[in-house]
Amino acid sequence: SQQGEEDPQALSIQEGENATMNCSYKTSINNLQWYRQNSGRGLVHLILIRSNEREKHSGRLRVTLDTSKKSSSLLITASRAADTASYFCATPETSGSRLTFGEGTQLTVNP
Amino acid sequence: EAQVTQNPRYLITVTGKKLTVTCSQNMNHEYMSWYRQDPGLGLRQIYYSMNVEVTDKGDVPEGYKVSRKEKRNFPLILESPSPNQTSLYFCASTRLAGTYNEQFFGPGTRLTVL
Repeated sequence: SQQGEEDPQALSIQEGENATMNCSYKTSINNLQWYRQNSGRGLVHLILIRSNEREKHSGRLRVTLDTSKKSSSLLITASRAADTASYFCATPETSGSRLTFGEGTQLTVNP
Repeated sequence: EAQVTQNPRYLITVTGKKLTVTCSQNMNHEYMSWYRQDPGLGLRQIYYSMNVEVTDKGDVPEGYKVSRKEKRNFPLILESPSPNQTSLYFCASTRLAGTYNEQFFGPGTRLTVL
């Protein structure tokens, strides 16, 4: 079953603007991961935030985690056309490495 | 270079003709899994393997088989493919040690069953 749910399903912005995507989940987690997928290609891991972290940065990416609300957000600053892709949040089962993915946010950055 | 490879990348076949999609990783990961991705349904896990000779069903295992005879390889077998198995398939791997592990994905195999 899908635990992560991304919001919005689709987002279209202009180059240079910031893009914010949200993810909600249902059960307790020890970490939450964000992945990127270019059209028809494999997923690429972007960033992992642990359950005891509230915010994490990596380049133009900023991830927040609110375990009390069971939600996370991914912010891409100063977006570029090359950021156009689908973005997924994923949570691993506590018992192993099985990941449960949301359906993703399709981001389009217009030049 | 650390990577997960899949073959073939594209395949068109007919109903009932057995096929195998290979997956190989060079990172000595214990955990490997197969996902299928369909519009509106996201990624769903088909099978996974915690180590050699250890495999288990994921969310949508019907119509699929897997094997894990070697650590690096995890082939997905469709004994009698049907049109509802037309999908985009991804293999993934990760290490099991530690709690905060990213998964590495292959480039995908687009399968069409006529």
